[in-house]
Amino acid sequence: DAGVIQSPRHEVTEMGQEVTLRCKPISGHDYLFWYRQTMMRGLELLIYFNNNVPIDDSGMPEDRFSAKMPNASFSTLKIQPSEPRDSAVYFCASTEGGRVVYEQYFGPGTRLTVT
Amino acid sequence: KQEVTQIPAALSVPEGENLVLNCSFTDSAIYNLQWFRQDPGKGLTSLLLIQSSQREQTSGRLNASLDKSSGRSTLYIAASQPGDSATYLCAVKDSGYALNFGKGTSLLVTP
Repeated sequence: DAGVIQSPRHEVTEMGQEVTLRCKPISGHDYLFWYRQTMMRGLELLIYFNNNVPIDDSGMPEDRFSAKMPNASFSTLKIQPSEPRDSAVYFCASTEGGRVVYEQYFGPGTRLTVT
Repeated sequence: KQEVTQIPAALSVPEGENLVLNCSFTDSAIYNLQWFRQDPGKGLTSLLLIQSSQREQTSGRLNASLDKSSGRSTLYIAASQPGDSATYLCAVKDSGYALNFGKGTSLLVTP
């Protein structure tokens, strides 16, 4: 398998614009996670899905953020409108929940810069 | 809420030294603990995963230990090399499905 795929790898946008980040989990994984990494706060969970259903979105900072998982092989994280404080690296991860050894596999991340 | 702390935040050592990175967590009811490596501008590479029933895991020059009762884990790197320079992250899985990360230790190994 190619691993968790994220696109774009880098995104530079102006304040107020809509940003969409994309993730393709590893085939067969039934959990998908979105994390955000900043210098100040480190890596934090934003939201996670199980079988395409959002389970915990308590980490989503505000209504400007939304996430969807229309099918088992695709998820999006949308920010509208974007603000400079949203600048961060956004990671997607996936795992298979039924395994004895629980391990999350991370994508390469999307580095977002909002000017 | 699980809090994960890593000390020190940064570390610089000369090549060849053995070193220890520390990770502590507040809730000992964990499922497993994982150590990751992150190179600048890159993603996360899993180094070692220790199940809650295990005391340690080894991979090459790396050895990770886990003491659940005291809420601590250490990552031991033997005979450090400049290529080991990176940020090392500790992550704990407890009853939830998400990982709880520390802020990492930035390691610089100088030739």
